[in-house]
Amino acid sequence: EAGVTQFPSHSVIEKGQTVTLRCDPISGHDNLYWYRRVMGKEIKFLLHFVKESKQDESGMPNNRFLAERTGGTYSTLKVQPAELEDSGVYFCASSQEGVSRKLFFGSGTQLSVL
Amino acid sequence: KNQVEQSPQSLIILEGKNCTLQCNYTVSPFSNLRWYKQDTGRGPVSLTIMTFSENTKSNGRYTATLDADTKQSSLHITASQLSDSASYICVVSPYGNNRLAFGKGNQVVVIP
Repeated sequence: EAGVTQFPSHSVIEKGQTVTLRCDPISGHDNLYWYRRVMGKEIKFLLHFVKESKQDESGMPNNRFLAERTGGTYSTLKVQPAELEDSGVYFCASSQEGVSRKLFFGSGTQLSVL
Repeated sequence: KNQVEQSPQSLIILEGKNCTLQCNYTVSPFSNLRWYKQDTGRGPVSLTIMTFSENTKSNGRYTATLDADTKQSSLHITASQLSDSASYICVVSPYGNNRLAFGKGNQVVVIP
């Protein structure tokens, strides 16, 4: 069974450009999460989908970030326009129903904004 | 100040030796505490999940303990192997929401 897959693995863009990150969760996992790790800091929550609905987006930094999960399958996270402080590793994770359910993480997308 | 603090930040141990990693947290109330292993260039992988009522949980050579009174957890690695070289991240799940609180991780390097 395939795990959580993220694309691209690396992205280097210039300030002001747009980047779209994609996450394919494990099939059957209704819960999908986005996290970000800025260099030297801990991983931080961005938002949580249950199927196609945004359950909690309180961690989204600002309105330059837009996440979607059309059809309740894969998800995209768009940054427009990108700023230098958006650089970091963006992780996606998925889980089955339940608070204590194990989270399965993707390998992350390393975003560098120059 | 981060809600989850881990120590030591990094350590080097000889293959075959044991080590213990510490996690102190302030998240309260909480549903569960998790330990993850993250290899370089990969995403975190779950090692253990303990609810607030559990004191210990094992996964092979990994044993996690939890003291909810003092808000401390530890991860003990027994008979370390080279493949144990990784970052070990303590994660606390607050009660009532899914916004996990992550520590910065303990970077472990196992040398032959």
